[in-house]
Amino acid sequence: KAGVTQTPRYLIKTRGQQVTLSCSPISGHRSVSWYQQTPGQGLQFLFEYFSETQRNKGNFPGRFSGRQFSNSRSEMNVSTLELGDSALYLCASSFVPQETQYFGPGTRLLVL
Amino acid sequence: ELKVEQNPLFLSMQEGKNYTIYCNYSTTSDRLYWYRQDPGKSLESLFVLLSNGAVKQEGRLMASLDTKARLSTLHITAAVHDLSATYFCAVRNAGNNRKLIWGLGTSLAVNP
Repeated sequence: KAGVTQTPRYLIKTRGQQVTLSCSPISGHRSVSWYQQTPGQGLQFLFEYFSETQRNKGNFPGRFSGRQFSNSRSEMNVSTLELGDSALYLCASSFVPQETQYFGPGTRLLVL
Repeated sequence: ELKVEQNPLFLSMQEGKNYTIYCNYSTTSDRLYWYRQDPGKSLESLFVLLSNGAVKQEGRLMASLDTKARLSTLHITAAVHDLSATYFCAVRNAGNNRKLIWGLGTSLAVNP
């Protein structure tokens, strides 16, 4: 069974640009969560989607947005990138929101 | 708001020794997870603990949960080098906003 896949794996952008990250969950999983991981702040929850609906949202500015498609694939978008957005962005999927989450390899974003 | 604290944050230990990592959380929760992350890799699920007194074991790792004390422990028995990694606990918020809140992680180095 294929795991969670994320694309791209690495990305370099400059301040002010926008970026879209993609996540394909494990087959059959309908819940997708996104996290930002940085050395200083650890893992911080961005948002959670289930059946194309955003169920929960973390404390991030409106520049961070996401969506989920009918096939459960999810994308997150960050507009007007700032240096502080440099991080590892992790996607995790589960059958339903309450169940154990399985993580993808992450997208490492560097903002210059 | 739910807060999760892990200690220690850094742990260097010798092979063959035992040690315990602690995870405290501040408000009611109905499930607690332990994950492992190897350097440069994604997170791997280790345990999910659902009820007071729950104990789970896998190899040299044993996790337990005391919901009254709002404390989980991850005990390492006779450590080996392969256990070197960062260990995270994560607690799911009870109530309406059921997001997962993460500890900062415990970076474990097992030395020969």
